[in-house]
Amino acid sequence: KNEVEQSPQNLTAQEGEFITINCSYSVGISALHWLQQHPGGGIVSLFMLSSGKKKHGRLIATINIQEKHSSLHITASHPRDSAVYICAEGGSQGNLIFGKGTKLSVKP
Amino acid sequence: KAGVTQTPRYLIKTRGQQVTLSCSPISGHRSVSWYQQTPGQGLQFLFEYFSETQRNKGNFPGRFSGRQFSNSRSEMNVSTLELGDSALYLCASSLVPGQGNYGYTFGSGTRLTVV
Repeated sequence: KNEVEQSPQNLTAQEGEFITINCSYSVGISALHWLQQHPGGGIVSLFMLSSGKKKHGRLIATINIQEKHSSLHITASHPRDSAVYICAEGGSQGNLIFGKGTKLSVKP
Repeated sequence: KAGVTQTPRYLIKTRGQQVTLSCSPISGHRSVSWYQQTPGQGLQFLFEYFSETQRNKGNFPGRFSGRQFSNSRSEMNVSTLELGDSALYLCASSLVPGQGNYGYTFGSGTRLTVV
C-alpha cells in the first residue's frame, strides 16, 4: 500500500530562517510532487521531481530514490511563505497519493 | 493562458440533495482528475478522466460519479448528500493521464457544505 508520511505536521519559524520539510514514501514511484496550499484552498504545484534536486527562487526540493525520501527547503523564509505544504507521490495507476501536509507559519 | 476553472466556488446543500460541480481544464489539457479534501482524511483521489472515459477511480461510494465532455470539461456529481460529504473538491488537469512524470495544474476548488 502506498503511504506518504510528512514531518513535521506543524512548523513555526521566524522570518529569515532556513526551513526543511521532510517526506517519506513507501514504494517506488515515478515522480514526487511538492504542492503549496494557501488559506482559501487553491493548490499550486511547486515541484515535480524523480531524481536529484530542483531549485526555484528560494525553494529547493531534493529526492533520494534509494532512501525513498524527499525534502523541501525554504531559504530566507518570509511571512508570505506561510501555507500548507503537501508532498504527493505519483501512484502506480497515475493518480496522486498525498501526505497529510505540513502547516508552516513564518512570523515577522 | 487561463488556468483550471472550477465552478461554483462555494455551495451549500441539504442532506439528501444532489450536487454537480464543474471543472474546465487548461486549454490543451485532456486529462482531468478530481480530489476530495477534508480535515480528517486530507486529500483523497476520486477519479480521473481522459478522452471522455474514466481511467481510474478512488475508493469512494457509487454516489460519487463524474463525466468528461468532448471539450475536456469535466463534471462530478454527488447524489444523496451526507454531512460527511462536506469538503473542498479540487480538480487538476494535465496534458495526458497518469501524470506521475508530468505536471498537474490545480483549480481553486469548490467548497461544499452539506447541512
